[in-house]
Amino acid sequence: KNQVEQSPQSLIILEGKNCTLQCNYTVSPFSNLRWYKQDTGRGPVSLTIMTFSENTKSNGRYTATLDADTKQSSLHITASQLSDSASYICVVSEKTSYDKVIFGPGTSLSVIP
Amino acid sequence: DAGVIQSPRHEVTEMGQEVTLRCKPISGHNSLFWYRQTMMRGLELLIYFNNNVPIDDSGMPEDRFSAKMPNASFSTLKIQPSEPRDSAVYFCASSLGDDGNTIYFGEGSWLTVV
Repeated sequence: KNQVEQSPQSLIILEGKNCTLQCNYTVSPFSNLRWYKQDTGRGPVSLTIMTFSENTKSNGRYTATLDADTKQSSLHITASQLSDSASYICVVSEKTSYDKVIFGPGTSLSVIP
Repeated sequence: DAGVIQSPRHEVTEMGQEVTLRCKPISGHNSLFWYRQTMMRGLELLIYFNNNVPIDDSGMPEDRFSAKMPNASFSTLKIQPSEPRDSAVYFCASSLGDDGNTIYFGEGSWLTVV
């Protein structure tokens, strides 16, 4: 069964610190992997998207990595800010005739002063 | 760009009533998705349209749910009759193309069925 798992479920860090969120998937055949940020009460917003051949992609203080062999991805946040407090969702696309995405459960990140 | 626009943002309705959620995708996008988000199940795909045609409706829970896309700039998700277990946030999203492009989400319609 195609699944996406994320860890940790929740995380609390001090402002200015770095953190890394993990994503493991069993989706096959694989098309692409995305990380989304969802603020409370808002819709998810895309951070990065990576295909099979891409190992890393950055978007400002966000850096995503992908190991397609081990089916693992990480999202590293550098110099965290209070506005980084949100749910981060790993989304993996199954290679079908269209972008059939499977969502992870998300990691809830709280950045405290 | 106004983004994906959904209405209503919030709706509270009584069990048994009909609920209609509306979506205007980003202009020029040919793929439209309806998702549902709950605390228990997270985000789930309900239905996918490409060029106004329903391609995958395998996620639609049951016959009480129906979705239409009469033209490229408008879609509806209807629940009739509504039940308390339908309470969730319903997101509409759109993208350009079939695969590998950014999927843009609306702000969601928060539905509570009492």
